[in-house]
Amino acid sequence: GENVEQHPSTLSVQEGDSAVIKCTYSDSASNYFPWYKQELGKGPQLIIDIRSNVGEKKDQRIAVTLNKTAKHFSLHITETQPEDSAVYFCAAPADRGSTLGRLYFGRGTQLTVWP
Amino acid sequence: GAGVSQSPRYKVTKRGQDVALRCDPISGHVSLYWYRQALGQGPEFLTYFNYEAQQDKSGLPNDRFSAERPEGSISTLTIQRTEQRDSAMYRCASSLGQGSNQPQHFGDGTRLSIL
Repeated sequence: GENVEQHPSTLSVQEGDSAVIKCTYSDSASNYFPWYKQELGKGPQLIIDIRSNVGEKKDQRIAVTLNKTAKHFSLHITETQPEDSAVYFCAAPADRGSTLGRLYFGRGTQLTVWP
Repeated sequence: GAGVSQSPRYKVTKRGQDVALRCDPISGHVSLYWYRQALGQGPEFLTYFNYEAQQDKSGLPNDRFSAERPEGSISTLTIQRTEQRDSAMYRCASSLGQGSNQPQHFGDGTRLSIL
């Protein structure tokens, strides 16, 4: 199955600075890479995703980049705000036969934005 | 409602009892997924359905765990003869379409505690 590694496990930044979280995956057939934000007591919320036919996608202060050759993808948050503080998860799908639809998640990054 | 709804939010039960966890997906969503999330970890896949058909149950830990979605909408995850190691957050997600590149939207989960 897919193996997703996520780094760093914790990240502290000053308000206004940028934050970058990186993930690697093992299955070269994977073609969809979502990022989730999880606040305390809540379920993971999809914030952005990218498909393998593009290298970058932006949505306001959030961007995701994908390098299929190196099998890694990254989440970039610019102009961070205290409300960006949360746990962020990357994920990649299984794309093999009966496991179609399953997502494999990274272990998460606790982002803290200091005012 | 607009999102994935799970009930109960919290469930405390004694070891050996059976429990049933319910998931009501977003209206019209074809696929429904069950995950389990340990503290400090990403969600871990259990099983998923397309309509009423269970497509993949390879993530279920053992035969005490089962799931159904008889009418292709609401799903129930049942754990028989619960053990303390079953204590975790159980999360449900749904997606509009089938396949590994469909965005999955999560509910707020059921926190299960086995005494």
